[in-house]
Amino acid sequence: GENVEQHPSTLSVQEGDSAVIKCTYSDSASNYFPWYKQELGKGPQLIIDIRSNVGEKKDQRIAVTLNKTAKHFSLHITETQPEDSAVYFCAARRDTGRRALTFGSGTRLQVQP
Amino acid sequence: DTGVSQDPRHKITKRGQNVTFRCDPISEHNRLYWYRQTLGQGPEFLTYFQNEAQLEKSRLLSDRFSAERPKGSFSTLEIQRTEQGDSAMYLCASSLAPGETEAFFGQGTRLTVV
Repeated sequence: GENVEQHPSTLSVQEGDSAVIKCTYSDSASNYFPWYKQELGKGPQLIIDIRSNVGEKKDQRIAVTLNKTAKHFSLHITETQPEDSAVYFCAARRDTGRRALTFGSGTRLQVQP
Repeated sequence: DTGVSQDPRHKITKRGQNVTFRCDPISEHNRLYWYRQTLGQGPEFLTYFQNEAQLEKSRLLSDRFSAERPKGSFSTLEIQRTEQGDSAMYLCASSLAPGETEAFFGQGTRLTVV
């Protein structure tokens, strides 16, 4: 089955700096890669996603890049703000067959004001 | 419609008791997923439904776990004879098919087995 590894497990940055979180996946048939933000006591919230026919996607301060050959994808947050502090999860899924998301183990991001 | 709704938000139960959780998905969504999340880990897939049909179950879903979605709308997840290892956050998500759309998660039910 799919296995998703996520690094780093914790990340501390100064407000205004950039943050990068990296994930690798094992199933070459995976073609959908979402990123979720989870705040304490809440469910995961989708912040950006990318499909395998696209190499990069941006939404304001957030961007995701995908390298299908190397089977890794990354989340980039620029101009970080204290409200970006949360746990971030990457995930991977096929569009055929098994539909469930396989999640990474999470990155706790702390933005220091 | 305000999103995926889960009830209760918190449940404390004694070991050996049965518990049932409810999930109300986004109204037009025909796919419904259950995940379990333990502290410091990402969510792990348990099972999913398309309409009322349960299409896949993870090996994490032991015989003590059962899920239903009788009318293709809300779903229930029951755990029988709870064990301390069942303590976790149980998350429900929904999505719309055909056409692969993103999955939206509820706030979860936190279960504590004492």
